Amino acid sequence: AQSVTQLDSQVPVFEEAPVELRCNYSSSVSVYLFWYVQYPNQGLQLLLKYLSGSTLVKGINGFEAEFNKSQTSFHLRKPSVHISDTAEYFCAVSDLNTNAGKSTFGDGTTLTVKP
Amino acid sequence: DAMVIQNPRYQVTQFGKPVTLSCSQTLNHNVMYWYQQKSSQAPKLLFHYYDKDFNNEADTPDNFQSRRPNTSFCFLDIRSPGLGDAAMYLCATKDRSYQPQHFGDGTRLSIL
Repeated sequence: AQSVTQLDSQVPVFEEAPVELRCNYSSSVSVYLFWYVQYPNQGLQLLLKYLSGSTLVKGINGFEAEFNKSQTSFHLRKPSVHISDTAEYFCAVSDLNTNAGKSTFGDGTTLTVKP
Repeated sequence: DAMVIQNPRYQVTQFGKPVTLSCSQTLNHNVMYWYQQKSSQAPKLLFHYYDKDFNNEADTPDNFQSRRPNTSFCFLDIRSPGLGDAAMYLCATKDRSYQPQHFGDGTRLSIL
């Protein structure tokens, strides 16, 4: 079984400030890790993914995340946020053991960027 | 562009009246998922298909059924919608276990 914990349900931040959205996971098997963004009344869109290799992964819209195996974390960061980054962010882990690779999602973090 | 398309975007139905939501994909992915997402919550997996193999989540109500007539299309049938079924329904596809999911924009279902 696997689980994902997003440590902050809401993160308010001012425009051009840095932001970190925290994600911890637990799993008995190896997993792949993803961050998705969801804008109002839309589906989820992939921001970035960690499959293997370098633990620092870069994604779209200037976001990056660092995989830390010892701390079982996959925190999302952006050095300078924009108003347009206001959205819901979901961390997810995907099970390697099945062909379907079902994902377990965290409960989401609402990022609100204020002017 | 290859994509996942959900129709309709907004659906209103009456309490107890059957409703069908549709999803199509041009990605030719093996796996298709249906999720239910309520306000300010994570998507909740209802079921998924790996090719034609259907997999129901243990806590998916019997009221929810699905059909996948071919690789491109998948349908979600709610036989007797209750007020608690009002939600956003998301369809997603995936090619390989290590790949991310590709989501449609969802269908927002309202129950009168």
